[in-house]
Amino acid sequence: AQTVTQSQPEMSVQEAETVTLSCTYDTSENNYYLFWYKQPPSRQMILVIRQEAYKQQNATENRFSVNFQKAAKSFSLKISDSQLGDTAMYFCAFMTAYSGAGSYQLTFGKGTKLSVIP
Amino acid sequence: NAGVMQNPRHLVRRRGQEARLRCSPMKGHSHVYWYRQLPEEGLKFMVYLQKENIIDESGMPKERFSAEFPKEGPSILRIQQVVRGDSAAYFCASSPSRTVGVSYNEQFFGPGTRLTVL
Repeated sequence: AQTVTQSQPEMSVQEAETVTLSCTYDTSENNYYLFWYKQPPSRQMILVIRQEAYKQQNATENRFSVNFQKAAKSFSLKISDSQLGDTAMYFCAFMTAYSGAGSYQLTFGKGTKLSVIP
Repeated sequence: NAGVMQNPRHLVRRRGQEARLRCSPMKGHSHVYWYRQLPEEGLKFMVYLQKENIIDESGMPKERFSAEFPKEGPSILRIQQVVRGDSAAYFCASSPSRTVGVSYNEQFFGPGTRLTVL
């Protein structure tokens, strides 16, 4: 079974600054996907960024980028030029890339509460 | 194109009552997933359904919980004889049919139903 660990329950950052959220995971598989989801106060889950494990290049989406270290099983999220609208819970999640039983299940960490301070 | 819809958004039940949570997937999506988020926790997979079929209910409590996704109408998550420990946010996600050669289908989440058991 896979596990996802987010060791920072809460973080804060000044507006326009950069912040990095940490995530580690445990799996015996070689092929999988990793995700960062954002959950603002409205509680809607929004996909921020996705990384395929077989790709060495780190994924980027505008101000959001990841640092994927496969050997270390680490998947951190960097938010540049933080904005007030980035205030939310951020969840790291794992999904296997193999078809078959359980291949569709997302396994989530417990989340990091990010506050952007004006 | 409307997103995943869930209703009600908030549901209050007394211990021993029944709770029915509804999920309408995105147009064209035939796969539905239910997740539960307990306070201070990440989302946990409960059940995966396709039209008229339960594919995987390995995350569902063995008693009092059931799910269906009929040919017509929304998917229903039903909790009988609710207890205080059932208080949580219940999220539904949907995805399209898996494309041949593509191992990943993004799950689109609804806004969730917050169940409070008094």
